[in-house]
Amino acid sequence: SAVISQKPSRDICQRGTSLTIQCQVDSQVTMMFWYRQQPGQSLTLIATANQGSEATYESGFVIDKFPISRPNLTFSTLTVSNMSPEDSSIYLCSVGSLPENTEAFFGQGTRLTVV
Amino acid sequence: GQNIDQPTEMTATEGAIVQINCTYQTSGFNGLFWYQQHAGEAPTFLSYNVLDGLEEKGRFSSFLSRSKGYSYLLLKELQMKDSASYFCAVKDSNYQLIWGAGTKLIIKP
Repeated sequence: SAVISQKPSRDICQRGTSLTIQCQVDSQVTMMFWYRQQPGQSLTLIATANQGSEATYESGFVIDKFPISRPNLTFSTLTVSNMSPEDSSIYLCSVGSLPENTEAFFGQGTRLTVV
Repeated sequence: GQNIDQPTEMTATEGAIVQINCTYQTSGFNGLFWYQQHAGEAPTFLSYNVLDGLEEKGRFSSFLSRSKGYSYLLLKELQMKDSASYFCAVKDSNYQLIWGAGTKLIIKP
C-alpha cells in the first residue's frame, strides 16, 4: 500500500491567481495521476505525471493552465494557473499500482474555491 | 464513444444485500475496477476483474461478463458505514481508466 499526503486540503483563492497543490507519497511509484472532481460528480483525469518526462494531458486540459512537476518518484505538484470561478473543484492526486499501474491510492484531495 | 452506465442512486436496508450494476462500452478492455468514496473523502479501491466470473472479498463481491459488457458489485450484510458512492471504472485499450458517474448508495436502518 501507499500513503499519500496531499496539501493544502482546502483553499479559497482570488481569481487570476495561481495555486500549487503538492502530493507526497511514502514510497516510489512510477505513475501519478491528477484528477478533478466536482462534488457529487465522477472523476475527470487532468493528466498523468511520469518522472523524467513531460506530463501527458487529457483532452481539454493544457500545460499552460495546469503545469505539473514530477521531480522524483515520490513527489508531484499540480498548479492551477490564472484561476477563475470555473476552476472551483476538488483536485485529487493518485498513484498507480495494481495491474497496469491503475489508480490504486488517492490523496485526501484539495477543495479549491475561487472567488 | 466510450460509455459506462450505472444507476445514479440506490437505497437499501441495513443487514440486507444490494447489487450495483454497471454496463460498459469501451474501446478495448483491460480490466474493470470498483471504487468506494465516502462523502468528503478520497476514493478507495475495492475490486478488480479482468476475467469473467465472481471475485469475492469479504462482504463485497464483484462479477464480470466481458461478452455482455456487464459487471456488478454485490454488498452483503449491509452496514450503515456502507453508505457511500460506488464508481465502476474500465481500463480501455490505451490503458486509460474510464470512470462511470457513480452510484450513491443510501443505507437505511
